Amino acid sequence: SAVISQKPSRDICQRGTSLTIQCQVDSQVTMMFWYRQQPGQSLTLIATANQGSEATYESGFVIDKFPISRPNLTFSTLTVSNMSPEDSSIYLCSAYPPRNSYNEQFFGPGTRLTVL
Amino acid sequence: DAKTTQPPSMDCAEGRAANLPCNHSTISGNEYVYWYRQIHSQGPQYIIHGLKNNETNEMASLIITEDRKSSTLILPHATLRDTAVYYCIVRARAGNMLTFGGGTRLMVKP
Repeated sequence: SAVISQKPSRDICQRGTSLTIQCQVDSQVTMMFWYRQQPGQSLTLIATANQGSEATYESGFVIDKFPISRPNLTFSTLTVSNMSPEDSSIYLCSAYPPRNSYNEQFFGPGTRLTVL
Repeated sequence: DAKTTQPPSMDCAEGRAANLPCNHSTISGNEYVYWYRQIHSQGPQYIIHGLKNNETNEMASLIITEDRKSSTLILPHATLRDTAVYYCIVRARAGNMLTFGGGTRLMVKP
């Protein structure tokens, strides 16, 4: 199994500010994923973050709004920039531990963001 | 990846089997069926996956129809802690990102 932790667990932010969410995995992983879960909704993939290359963003998500860093094989950050109330969501990071044949994707506990 | 259809909600009595259906009529031959669940305020958790044979592990059983167009996740003895949203996901290749649909909100009642 893998343990994925996120910081902060929750935050309340003002409109127009930015928040950086950290994701730490307890083992080295090739790919990390960032998801958004809006209130009462399912998960939507924001981007895939590979170490040593730029993140790949899904349709509807852009780097200027959600810049991602991936400095090493165990860590990634997602920044939510110039926030508005519509950005209020749970943000989750995810990864595949390399030793489980890439079938079981593990998720962090999520960061609950409220934008006022 | 093929689209899946699940009922939005189901109830189950505690101690009884919970049978959660999933329709994936456009599934192709190389696509697997995965099940995850999300307990309130937690990240999703892997349950089980299969290609065409029925699968069982310590958490659940997965029954896939012979034509692979639908499947059923079975929790043999549901407990209150199994109350969660259950997601059925079809994916072609292990290691690809997961695409989540609406899921089924299972409520286990005493």
